[in-house]
Amino acid sequence: EDQVTQSPEALRLQEGESSSLNCSYTVSGLRGLFWYRQDPGKGPEFLFTLYSAGEEKEKERLKATLTKKESFLHITAPKPEDSATYLCAVQVPLAGNNRKLIWGLGTSLAVNP
Amino acid sequence: NAGVMQNPRHLVRRRGQEARLRCSPMKGHSHVYWYRQLPEEGLKFMVYLQKENIIDESGMPKERFSAEFPKEGPSILRIQQVVRGDSAAYFCASSPYSTGELFFGEGSRLTVL
Repeated sequence: EDQVTQSPEALRLQEGESSSLNCSYTVSGLRGLFWYRQDPGKGPEFLFTLYSAGEEKEKERLKATLTKKESFLHITAPKPEDSATYLCAVQVPLAGNNRKLIWGLGTSLAVNP
Repeated sequence: NAGVMQNPRHLVRRRGQEARLRCSPMKGHSHVYWYRQLPEEGLKFMVYLQKENIIDESGMPKERFSAEFPKEGPSILRIQQVVRGDSAAYFCASSPYSTGELFFGEGSRLTVL
């Protein structure tokens, strides 16, 4: 069964304290891995797409990496405004040319000033 | 270019009533996805539609729930005879094709009394 697991469930950091969030997956036919950010009371916001092992993407203090079994979202010198829930989703094929997303439960990040 | 528009943002219904949630995708987007999210829980996929067609409804309860995306007008998620367990935030997302890069609306929060 296709599955996406994120860890830790919650993470509390001091401002400037770098860390990493993990997204591990067991799926058949990976078509892409996606990271999203969700603020309280808002819809998720797309951050990154990764397609193949070894690929990396960066945006400000965030860097996403991908291996054959997992992805990491590295947060360098985080600021309080980075506090949010970070969601990972893996895309797998559906019938025809369509695809579906399998979502993790997210990591809730809190960055203290 | 307006984002994904969902309405109503908040809806209160009594048990047994019907709830209709509307979603207008971004301009040019023909793929619509509905998700449900409970407090402190992850996104639960419900249904994936592409103009007038249901592509994947594997996440939608067989009874009381239905979704449509007509040729003209918004996508509608309809919940008949609501129960307290239906109370949740319902998010709509859209994309121009079958991809994991989704654009989410702000959500509709349903409360069943």
